[in-house]
Amino acid sequence: EPEVTQTPSHQVTQMGQEVILRCVPISNHLYFYWYRQILGQKVEFLVSFYNNEISEKSEIFDDQFSVERPDGSNFTLKIRSTKLEDSAMYFCASSTGLAGGTGELFFGEGSRLTVL
Amino acid sequence: DAKTTQPTSMDCAEGRAANLPCNHSTISGNEYVYWYRQIHSQGPQYIIHGLKNNETNEMASLIITEDRKSSTLILPHATLRDTAVYYCIVRALGYNFNKFYFGSGTKLNVKP
Repeated sequence: EPEVTQTPSHQVTQMGQEVILRCVPISNHLYFYWYRQILGQKVEFLVSFYNNEISEKSEIFDDQFSVERPDGSNFTLKIRSTKLEDSAMYFCASSTGLAGGTGELFFGEGSRLTVL
Repeated sequence: DAKTTQPTSMDCAEGRAANLPCNHSTISGNEYVYWYRQIHSQGPQYIIHGLKNNETNEMASLIITEDRKSSTLILPHATLRDTAVYYCIVRALGYNFNKFYFGSGTKLNVKP
């Protein structure tokens, strides 16, 4: 069964460093998402991406964050200058996005980011 | 997005049916009810969704009341591996229709 894959599974970084989290969505999917979950808290929407541009973003997704689909298969989340409060599990998701579709999102297993 | 209300936690004996309720009294006519679950810290997993008819798949059944103001997810024979946080989400199909807002969910504890 096709799945969303994320790398790395765990990354430890120093505050102020840049981090890139990578995702390979399911191949025929058109919509891509990043969510995050701070330990013990809710799963929070960050950003959605369609047709090579951001379609929607939350207030969490400030200028420190960016997303890119560099090569037609990978979907990346970059945090330019990490802060302690960026420590969280980051989930990538994708969906077909087709009109009349089920609206189901497929999530990856997540990348745990620890900022020291 | 319409808001949902779920109990914080529930217990269920292994092998018994788990019935997880959800209230969505402000649901609009074009909004679907989706259920996802999150096992430990894994990525959320889709379970089932419906508009107004009851639905069943290999994982669960979804019962939606006639007025659509509440629904129940039924795991017919709960196993220990069903211990997870279960999220009830209502969402319309349309522009950006796939964005979901996750609430606090119900922590289901399946006990031997």
